[in-house]
Amino acid sequence: DIVMTQTPLSLPVTPGEPASISCRSSQSLLDSDDGKTSLDWYLQKPGQSPQLLIYTLSNRASGVPDRFSGSGSGTDFTLTISRVEAEDVGVYYCMQRIEFPFTFGPGTKVEIK
Amino acid sequence: QVQLVQSGAEVKKPGSSVKVSCKASGGSFITYGISWVRQAPGQGLVWMGGILPVFGTPKYAQKFQGRVTITADESTNTAYMEVSSLRSEDTAVYYCARGNEKHVWILDHWGQGTLVTVSS
Repeated sequence: DIVMTQTPLSLPVTPGEPASISCRSSQSLLDSDDGKTSLDWYLQKPGQSPQLLIYTLSNRASGVPDRFSGSGSGTDFTLTISRVEAEDVGVYYCMQRIEFPFTFGPGTKVEIK
Repeated sequence: QVQLVQSGAEVKKPGSSVKVSCKASGGSFITYGISWVRQAPGQGLVWMGGILPVFGTPKYAQKFQGRVTITADESTNTAYMEVSSLRSEDTAVYYCARGNEKHVWILDHWGQGTLVTVSS
């Protein structure tokens, strides 16, 4: 199975400041068939179901503010929040879906300082 | 508007089985993947398996192979996930999630989650 790791696991943030989360996969997530990277980001806010933030490396899901962006290539990926807002607290997960079984990273807990 | 509505919370004895349902409304049912994701108390997300109803053959994570069965009923737009031989470690919230038009396996639409408690 593809192993996903994330750093940091805990991220205290200051509102208005930028924040970034790193995600690494044990093998490349670049799909040679279509040239796309099968890496998605999810946010689970406290007490809620997870929600899709970023799909296929860098595409924002419907309704996701443009302060969220995804980048990276191959095995190294980054989720960036340009200016953190209080509503962004929760646990962020990366997930690969290039091959079964899909696998999630351990999650990064973002909280306000 | 796509909506996934899951069945209610369950309390089960060790060794028994539980079957969780996920009813989809809005959009096609058979052409998008339905995944099942487990979250134990205070833990992260684990992808258990999924099914693309148009093909019908489910995929499972090795950890759940043999003890979990995922099915889909096109006539009622409902997916099911059954766990047998329950043990205390299966106590968790189980989510279903559906793909979208960008990719059938993106987890775009989520159910509200079903808490399964395994206790003697």
